Amino acid sequence: EAGVVQSPRYKIIEKKQPVAFWCNPISGHNTLYWYRQNLGQGPELLIRYENEEAVDDSQLPKDRFSAERLKGVDSTLKIQPAELGDSAVYLCASSLVVGSSPDTQYFGPGTRLTVL
Amino acid sequence: DQQVKQNSPSLSVQEGRISILNCDYTNSMFDYFLWYKKYPAEGPTFLISISSIKDKNEDGRFTVFLNKSAKHLSLHIVPSQPGDSAVYFCAAMRSQGAQKLVFGQGTRLTINP
Repeated sequence: EAGVVQSPRYKIIEKKQPVAFWCNPISGHNTLYWYRQNLGQGPELLIRYENEEAVDDSQLPKDRFSAERLKGVDSTLKIQPAELGDSAVYLCASSLVVGSSPDTQYFGPGTRLTVL
Repeated sequence: DQQVKQNSPSLSVQEGRISILNCDYTNSMFDYFLWYKKYPAEGPTFLISISSIKDKNEDGRFTVFLNKSAKHLSLHIVPSQPGDSAVYFCAAMRSQGAQKLVFGQGTRLTINP
């Protein structure tokens, strides 16, 4: 079974430039997450999708960050414009949520963003 | 406010001995806990989980213990192997509702031959 796929793996941009990350979740998983992991910290949730619907985007900085999940499968996360503090690893995860059972989230390899 | 804390940034253990990684949480609403393992340049990999209705869950060399009254959980790895060298993250969630995972800062485990 293929895991969560993310691209690109690495991205270096100058501040004020736009950047986009792409995620393909595990086949059949209905829930998709974007996390940001700063150096020396654990991942922090940015947004959670159930199918096409963003059900929790409370931690997404909406002035510069946007996300979409077309047809409830692939997802993109965009930053425009990027700031120096956005340098981090952006992780995508997916899970199969059934009823109220707690889900196990499976992570992709992440995209390491460096903003100069 | 750090709701999940891993107070040891690093741990070094001899191969074959027991590794014990600790995690504390503050939110009493958390009722499901997970451990993830992360190698460099890879995403976190699910290792083991435990529901608050249990106090122990075992999977091969890995055992997670939960002490609800102390709001503390630990991961035991025995015997430790060189391939266990990685960063280990503790995570917690409320199983009802948003199922938002809250992660600790991670502990870097090094297994010495």
